[in-house]
Amino acid sequence: QKEVEQDPGPLSVPEGAIVSLNCTYSNSAFQYFMWYRQYSRKGPELLMYTYSSGNKEDGRFTAQVDKSSKYISLFIRDSQPSDSATYLCAMSARATSGSRLTFGEGTQLTVNP
Amino acid sequence: DAGVTQSPTHLIKTRGQQVTLRCSPKSGHDTVSWYQQALGQGPQFIFQYYEEEERQRGNFPDRFSGHQFPNYSSELNVNALLLGDSALYLCASSPTPRAYNEQFFGPGTRLTVL
Repeated sequence: QKEVEQDPGPLSVPEGAIVSLNCTYSNSAFQYFMWYRQYSRKGPELLMYTYSSGNKEDGRFTAQVDKSSKYISLFIRDSQPSDSATYLCAMSARATSGSRLTFGEGTQLTVNP
Repeated sequence: DAGVTQSPTHLIKTRGQQVTLRCSPKSGHDTVSWYQQALGQGPQFIFQYYEEEERQRGNFPDRFSGHQFPNYSSELNVNALLLGDSALYLCASSPTPRAYNEQFFGPGTRLTVL
């Protein structure tokens, strides 16, 4: 069983839609949760970083963590064609800089104009 | 700020050969981590370097080795290449000390093994 499960999609939505991306995990040691965005042929770009259960908002993006259910989500409001990318969830057991990140396999999102 | 840079961009090798990939971390960062990303998969952690030493290692064979230089740049070496080593190799850098594990990724080196 994978430590982190993520629906690979692909997910296709119209411009302006609300997008929900989700990951589940099995390792209770994970305490720090991240969402990365990866455009084609590029490296992942950090979008959100959270370390506690609850919600964190940054512009059109909201990250949600439910440690009791081992479930994290990323919501994108008013989605734009420029949001079309692969979204990766990542988790870490340590806060130490550079420590191992465990990734989901990524969800490919297309936002249609 | 140049961000994390990696070279080369693309590389084609044949089975059994050896390859060296290079990474320069973001300015002010002294920790470098390497990841392997197979097509359609999330990145897999290979190892982390800090103070010129390997500090953590993922589930990769000894064919994968690395080095960090005094200027914090890093190399990833892979010996006896296999077809399955074909992937995007990502370098991530992060500053220390920091209270959280924020890693910034480079664009990657795409390795094809024939």
